[in-house]
Amino acid sequence: DGGITQSPKYLFRKEGQNVTLSCEQNLNHDAMYWYRQDPGQGLRLIYYSQIVNDFQKGDIAEGYSVSREKKESFPLTVTSAQKNPTAFYLCASSIGGAGGPTDTQYFGPGTRLTVL
Amino acid sequence: GQQLNQSPQSMFIQEGEDVSMNCTSSSIFNTWLWYKQDPGEGPVLLIALYKAGELTSNGRLTAQFGITRKDSFLNISASIPSDVGIYFCAGLRSGNTPLVFGKGTRLSVIA
Repeated sequence: DGGITQSPKYLFRKEGQNVTLSCEQNLNHDAMYWYRQDPGQGLRLIYYSQIVNDFQKGDIAEGYSVSREKKESFPLTVTSAQKNPTAFYLCASSIGGAGGPTDTQYFGPGTRLTVL
Repeated sequence: GQQLNQSPQSMFIQEGEDVSMNCTSSSIFNTWLWYKQDPGEGPVLLIALYKAGELTSNGRLTAQFGITRKDSFLNISASIPSDVGIYFCAGLRSGNTPLVFGKGTRLSVIA
C-alpha cells in the first residue's frame, strides 16, 4: 500500500528533552512538509523539503530541526528550545515542483506530542 | 505567514441540509484544494481545482475555483452524520511555493 506513515501516533516527553518524530513515504514524492496544528489555529508550516539534502524554514521553524538524507524520510526533531511543543504534528508529501497537480499535498495520520 | 480567510468558522446543521463554505484571499492562487479532517487524523484530500472557473464534483461535494482566482467555494449536499469534521481550504500560488491554508470550518451535523 502506498502512503505516508507517521510514528508513533502518541508521544509523551518530559520538558527539556529533544524528541524526533518520524515521517516516511513510499509514494516516490520529491517534496515533504511538516505542519503543526493547535486547536483553532489551522495548519502552520514548520519546515519543507523539495529535494533530498535540501530544506527550507516555514513560518514557525524556531525550536525545530529537520533532515532529508533519503527521499522517503523527513524526520522532525522538536528541541528543548521550542517553548510550547505540545501539539498535533502532521507530515505531508507531494510529487513536487511544477505546480498544479504535482503540488497537491497528501497527509499522514499525524503524531500527537504531549510534553509533561 | 499569510493564511486564507475561511468562513464560516463553524456551523451546526440538520441532517439532510445543504452546506456552503468559502475561502477568500487578497492574492491570486493557481490551485485550490479542499481537505476534510476527522478528529485525531490527518487531512484527507476531497477536491483539487487547477483552473479558474473550474467546477468539480466528488459525490455530494462540489467545489468551484473562483473566476478572479482569489476565492473558492465548497458545497455539500444532503448532509449526513459522517460529514462531521473540519474542512480546510488551501491555495497554491505557483510551483515550489508552500500551500497556504485556511483556519478551517468545523461542521457539526444534528441527526
